[in-house]
Amino acid sequence: NAGVMQNPRHLVRRRGQEARLRCSPMKGHSHVYWYRQLPEEGLKFMVYLQKENIIDESGMPKERFSAEFPKEGPSILRIQQVVRGDSAAYFCASAVLAVGNEQFFGPGTRLTVL
Amino acid sequence: QQQVKQSPQSLIVQKGGISIINCAYENTAFDYFPWYQQFPGKGPALLIAIRPDVSEKKEGRFTISFNKSAKQFSLHIMDSQPGDSATYFCAASTETSYDKVIFGPGTSLSVIP
Repeated sequence: NAGVMQNPRHLVRRRGQEARLRCSPMKGHSHVYWYRQLPEEGLKFMVYLQKENIIDESGMPKERFSAEFPKEGPSILRIQQVVRGDSAAYFCASAVLAVGNEQFFGPGTRLTVL
Repeated sequence: QQQVKQSPQSLIVQKGGISIINCAYENTAFDYFPWYQQFPGKGPALLIAIRPDVSEKKEGRFTISFNKSAKQFSLHIMDSQPGDSATYFCAASTETSYDKVIFGPGTSLSVIP
């Protein structure tokens, strides 16, 4: 059973470009969470999704950020018109409701904005 | 009220010593307290977790102590090894999956030979 997969692992974008981060949850997991980790800081919740639904996006910046988890395919975190302050590691986690709230994390995507 | 506080920010322990990391929370609705271990360049991995119906949980060299009345919990790493050098995050959430996990700011542990 493969773990949570994220790609790309490293992404470099120039200011103003778009960044697309992908997350494939563990098999059988229908809950996906995105977190952002700034250098030397902890993880900050961004958004919680189930298939085709955004459940909680209280941690998402109001502009330029969006997330989806379609019926088929990976979850996508999209950042439009990136700025230098978006440089961070973005982690995806997945969970199965039946076993409480244990979240399994992917290896992360490290976004660098030049 | 959603915050989880964690200390110390960094910790240096000699090999064979005991590493202790402390956390505190405010939201009494929290009922699930996991600890995550993160190595550089990797994602966090669940290390051990506790629910408030027990005051202590031990798995190998790792022990969580939980004080519900004080709203505090701690991680003890016995016989610390250089391979334990990592960043440790305490966290809290409610047990249903309809809530996000709130992470502490992390403790960078270095175990020196």
